[in-house]
Amino acid sequence: EAGVAQSPRYKIIEKRQSVAFWCNPISGHATLYWYQQILGQGPKLLIQFQNNGVVDDSQLPKDRFSAERLKGVDSTLKIQPAKLEDSAVYLCASSLGSGRVTDTQYFGPGTRLTVL
Amino acid sequence: KQEVTQIPAALSVPEGENLVLNCSFTDSAIYNLQWFRQDPGKGLTSLLLIQSSQREQTSGRLNASLDKSSGRSTLYIAASQPGDSATYLCAVPAEYGNKLVFGAGTILRVKS
Repeated sequence: EAGVAQSPRYKIIEKRQSVAFWCNPISGHATLYWYQQILGQGPKLLIQFQNNGVVDDSQLPKDRFSAERLKGVDSTLKIQPAKLEDSAVYLCASSLGSGRVTDTQYFGPGTRLTVL
Repeated sequence: KQEVTQIPAALSVPEGENLVLNCSFTDSAIYNLQWFRQDPGKGLTSLLLIQSSQREQTSGRLNASLDKSSGRSTLYIAASQPGDSATYLCAVPAEYGNKLVFGAGTILRVKS
């Protein structure tokens, strides 16, 4: 079974530029999560989708971050414009069920973003 | 609001030593607790998941215990090996949905 795929793996941009990350979850997984992990901290949930609907985006900085999940499968996370403090690893995860607390989340390798 | 703390932040031990990693959480009304491993440049791998009704869970050289009433969990690694070097994270579900609240992790280095 293929795992969660993410691209690119690394990205370096200047502040105020825009950037987009892509995630392909495990086939058949209904729920998709985007986490932000700043160096030295644990991952923090940015947004959770169930199929193509948003379940939780309470910690997403909506003035600069946006995300969508096309047809309930792939997802993109965009930052525009980027700030220095956005430097982090962006992790995508997926789970089979509808986001119950008993669902196992499977994580992708992450995209490491550096904002200069 | 659930908060998760992990101690120590970093640990360096010689190969073969037994070790304990600690995790504490502020809200004891949890459904489960997970321990993850994170290797540099890679995503998270789930190691053990303890349901709220369980007191411990074992997988190979790993043993995780859970004490809900005191808001604590420990991850015990027996006979550590250099390949165990990684960051270990614990996480609990938030009060709604399946959002995981993570600790900052313990960076483990096992020296050969």
